[in-house]
Amino acid sequence: EVVMTQSPAALSVFPGESATLSCRASQRVSSNLAWYQHKPGQAPRLLIYGAYIRAAGIPARFSGSGSGTEFTLTISSLQSEDFALYYCQQYNNWPLTFGGGTKVEIK
Amino acid sequence: EVQLVESGGGLVQPGGSLRLSCAASGFTFSVYAMTWVRQAPGKGLEWVSTISTGGGSTYYADSVKGRFTISRDNSRNTLFLQMHSLRAEDTAVYSCAKPLRSNAFDFWGQGTMVTVSS
Repeated sequence: EVVMTQSPAALSVFPGESATLSCRASQRVSSNLAWYQHKPGQAPRLLIYGAYIRAAGIPARFSGSGSGTEFTLTISSLQSEDFALYYCQQYNNWPLTFGGGTKVEIK
Repeated sequence: EVQLVESGGGLVQPGGSLRLSCAASGFTFSVYAMTWVRQAPGKGLEWVSTISTGGGSTYYADSVKGRFTISRDNSRNTLFLQMHSLRAEDTAVYSCAKPLRSNAFDFWGQGTMVTVSS
């Protein structure tokens, strides 16, 4: 099983600042990596797939990078609606696996 | 508009069974593999099971293998998850998800709560 490790577990950021979230895979997953935003009571929202491709309707302030085992989600100029939980997920191997999540909080 | 609406959750005793359904609309259901994902209270997302377009291939998390069965009815645009021998650790919100491509999921249902408790 590919273990996905996200860091940090929580991140406090001022609105308008940027945030960098990391995701590490225990083995190479090529670029088969997705990022999701999840808010309480809502369905997860796909932000990034293919490690760096923004999903439809996702603002340009969200960007993904990396390949292999190290991945990054960068949120530039955080807006109030961006404070949420973020998960990475690999879909290169069965079983599909998610990271433990990073909570982005308002500072 | 894509919609995924789960149903069938509830309170069940340990060892019991439940059958979840996911009614899909707004897209051509039969051409997409479909997936169940769960989230236990206070925990993260956990992939449960995926079924291929025609149902001929199924995949399960080790934690549910042998106890859960995923199936689909393409004529009714519905995905199912039959759950047997339920345990307390199966308590979670169960959501169905549609892939954009491969197994990155662009649409999710709101989920149905399954509580396993005596």
